[in-house]
Amino acid sequence: DTAVSQTPKYLVTQMGNDKSIKCEQNLGHDTMYWYKQDSKKFLKIMFSYNNKELIINETVPNRFSPKSPDKAHLNLHINSLELGDSAVYFCASSQRRGEGDTQYFGPGTRLTVL
Amino acid sequence: AQSVTQPDIHITVSEGASLELRCNYSYGATPYLFWYVQSPGQGLQLLLKYFSGDTLVQGIKGFEAEFKRSQSSFNLRKPSVHWSDAAEYFCAVGTGTYKYIFGTGTRLKVLA
Repeated sequence: DTAVSQTPKYLVTQMGNDKSIKCEQNLGHDTMYWYKQDSKKFLKIMFSYNNKELIINETVPNRFSPKSPDKAHLNLHINSLELGDSAVYFCASSQRRGEGDTQYFGPGTRLTVL
Repeated sequence: AQSVTQPDIHITVSEGASLELRCNYSYGATPYLFWYVQSPGQGLQLLLKYFSGDTLVQGIKGFEAEFKRSQSSFNLRKPSVHWSDAAEYFCAVGTGTYKYIFGTGTRLKVLA
């Protein structure tokens, strides 16, 4: 069974479109994250939710809106897509929100904006 | 400010040779330190982590890392590299604000 899963794996779309990426974890963890990995492999946190509550919101454009319907799911919706949004987006989860808790990563979603 | 530096962007080693990947961090308190590996097209997999105690940490796949507080370093080592170790390696520090800060990664190439 996949611990942290993301759909879709690949997403190709036009500028200006709206798209969503879904993430689910079956580990029973309380905390989930979204990371963005750019073309240089730099990995930066975007959001974190703990028990459906937003706890980290790094300076991300408000075109990005995370939604957590329950603690096993954290979806990422992106409005008005721009070329610079092209990246690999990783979802992750950890048992708690402590800085020492191991984060488990999904396989990533490669978003290409044309 | 908290930061993680991986000075080597690329490293190439021959199969069977030893490996050391460098990681330096900047953090005011005792850090939580992690090494992750990312194989091509895959997500990140935890290799090992350090919280406290013994400064030499053993991980999966034959990797180990040593925490040196005086040098603010957490270098990853493997005595004999296998071709399947070719991947991107990331060092990360867990901060007091419940997030990780990642280094920029080191891409390892293994020559047959």
